[in-house]
Amino acid sequence: DAGVIQSPRHEVTEMGQEVTLRCKPISGHNSLFWYRQTMMRGLELLIYFNNNVPIDDSGMPEDRFSAKMPNASFSTLKIQPSEPRDSAVYFCASSLPGLGDSPLHFGNGTRLTVT
Amino acid sequence: AQKITQTQPGMFVQEKEAVTLDCTYDTSDPSYGLFWYKQPSSGEMIFLIYQGSYDQQNATEGRYSLNFQKARKSANLVISASQLGDSAMYFCAMRETDTGTASKLTFGTGTRLQVTL
Repeated sequence: DAGVIQSPRHEVTEMGQEVTLRCKPISGHNSLFWYRQTMMRGLELLIYFNNNVPIDDSGMPEDRFSAKMPNASFSTLKIQPSEPRDSAVYFCASSLPGLGDSPLHFGNGTRLTVT
Repeated sequence: AQKITQTQPGMFVQEKEAVTLDCTYDTSDPSYGLFWYKQPSSGEMIFLIYQGSYDQQNATEGRYSLNFQKARKSANLVISASQLGDSAMYFCAMRETDTGTASKLTFGTGTRLQVTL
């Protein structure tokens, strides 16, 4: 079975440019999560969706960040304009329906570098 | 207040020995799940083991077991017969049930385990 698929694996961009990260969750999973990992702040939840509806976006750092889930098999995280402090590994994860007992399955992440 | 606390930034263990990685948590939710993930140097996040708050027995998965002490709010990971390939970052995480919808996973800061010969 295919796992969570993220693209691109690596992204290098200049400050001010728009960046779009993509995620395809595991088929049948109805919850999708975007996390960011940095050395300083560890793993932070940015936003999560349940049945394509955003449930909690309190972790989104600023208005420069936006996320969409137009259907059950695709989500995007967009940063516009990007800044050097956005450099991090961005993970997408998905899980089966369930309240507290379903593990999250993570993609391999997108390593973003903003110069 | 920290929801998940991992007090050991780094641990060393000799190959073939057992090691315990500590995790304590804080929640007022009666129903929750506790998870451990492994992150090797290649960067992927690998799910290892799950313990539900109502589970009577400690979870086990191969060489991994979870020492769950509910009253103390601790969920320590025990790795038996350590192997060189166990060298990685290990994260403890908790998933609360919130309002009855799918809920988020909150992670600790991680413990870096180094297995030595």
